[in-house]
Amino acid sequence: DQQVKQNSPSLSVQEGRISILNCDYTNSMFDYFLWYKKYPAEGPTFLISISSIKDKNEDGRFTVFLNKSAKHLSLHIVPSQPGDSAVYFCAANSGGYQKVTFGTGTKLQVIP
Amino acid sequence: DTGVSQDPRHKITKRGQNVTFRCDPISEHNRLYWYRQTLGQGPEFLTYFQNEAQLEKSRLLSDRFSAERPKGSFSTLEIQRTEQGDSAMYLCASSPATPLDRNTYGYTFGSGTRLTVV
Repeated sequence: DQQVKQNSPSLSVQEGRISILNCDYTNSMFDYFLWYKKYPAEGPTFLISISSIKDKNEDGRFTVFLNKSAKHLSLHIVPSQPGDSAVYFCAANSGGYQKVTFGTGTKLQVIP
Repeated sequence: DTGVSQDPRHKITKRGQNVTFRCDPISEHNRLYWYRQTLGQGPEFLTYFQNEAQLEKSRLLSDRFSAERPKGSFSTLEIQRTEQGDSAMYLCASSPATPLDRNTYGYTFGSGTRLTVV
């Protein structure tokens, strides 16, 4: 049972444009959502998060939007840079620091 | 603090052999987590500790897998009688028990140990 789904395995975007990565979840108990970025042969690196009490969180070029009624979140990267090329994982958990459930990832390629 | 350290980075073993991986968490973090990642998938939760107590184990953690954190600091993950299906990246993460600041999420991963069973 895939509780966190990323239906786009890959995305290509021109440098300077907006990248939009999408994520859907099924478990209504999730109350905290995260995005991780992963380069090959490295562990995931925390990027940005959002609590279920908010619908938007922004950090520099990165903005995460949460639509609880649709059980959907998205990550916007503006402007996209070649160094953003990586695999992005959407993740979720409930009840503080416990296990995190990850999606299958979206490979972003930013073309110079 | 140098973050979460995992050793070794790579391990190649023959089927049927036992392997052990080590994780050193961030020193002030009392929670430690093990995940497994296979090609094309996201990390899958295996188990986690608070100090030396193992609080949860996934059904993915078969009886060939055992994890310990004897003194509440570093942890080891042992796989006995390895099978080719055990080939994966094994990731360790650590966090405080309660959020200190949710804006700087303290759930930090190591670089992982890549296991290849031949």
